Amino acid sequence: QKEVEQNSGPLSVPEGAIASLNCTYSDRGSQSFFWYRQYSGKSPELIMSIYSNGDKEDGRFTAQLNKASQYVSLLIRDSQPSDSATYLCAACDSSASKIIFGSGTRLSIRP
Amino acid sequence: DAGVIQSPRHEVTEMGQEVTLRCKPISGHNSLFWYRQTMMRGLELLIYFNNNVPIDDSGMPEDRFSAKMPNASFSTLKIQPSEPRDSAVYFCASSPQGNTEAFFGQGTRLTVV
Repeated sequence: QKEVEQNSGPLSVPEGAIASLNCTYSDRGSQSFFWYRQYSGKSPELIMSIYSNGDKEDGRFTAQLNKASQYVSLLIRDSQPSDSATYLCAACDSSASKIIFGSGTRLSIRP
Repeated sequence: DAGVIQSPRHEVTEMGQEVTLRCKPISGHNSLFWYRQTMMRGLELLIYFNNNVPIDDSGMPEDRFSAKMPNASFSTLKIQPSEPRDSAVYFCASSPQGNTEAFFGQGTRLTVV
């Protein structure tokens, strides 16, 4: 069983709308969670880190964490064509050592 | 800082040959990760080191794969002998300490023919 689960998409969102990306994880002891963006042919790039329950905002991006439900999400407001990429959710396991990635959600912003 | 540096960027080799991938982590980072990415399996953790010590190599697919970290500024991932199914992009990443985010190198695209 995959430890971090994401819908593979593709998720198509019109320009200017809110894109919502979701992720669940199986290790209840996980303490750190990350969202990465990966453009085709490039390496994953860190967008957000979140460690506590609730929301964390950074510019157009908001990460949400609900440890009780083992659920992490990423909202992208005012979506731009440049946001089209694959978004990877990751969790640091309960030993606080290894970072496990989901399979990614492909996001497409249509003009 | 230059970030995580991997070499080579591209490698094409024949089946049965030895392949060595190299990584220089960000200075001062204590954790180093090797990942493999394919379309079918996504981003898989192969092995990670903490303070140069291998902590978990359960993701290494076979005995043909080995990794070393002789010092804080250098790590290698070796495949011997290589097989076509090893074709993938291999990423190295480092993080300042446990429980914090990892930063990725540019990756090595390996093709075994």
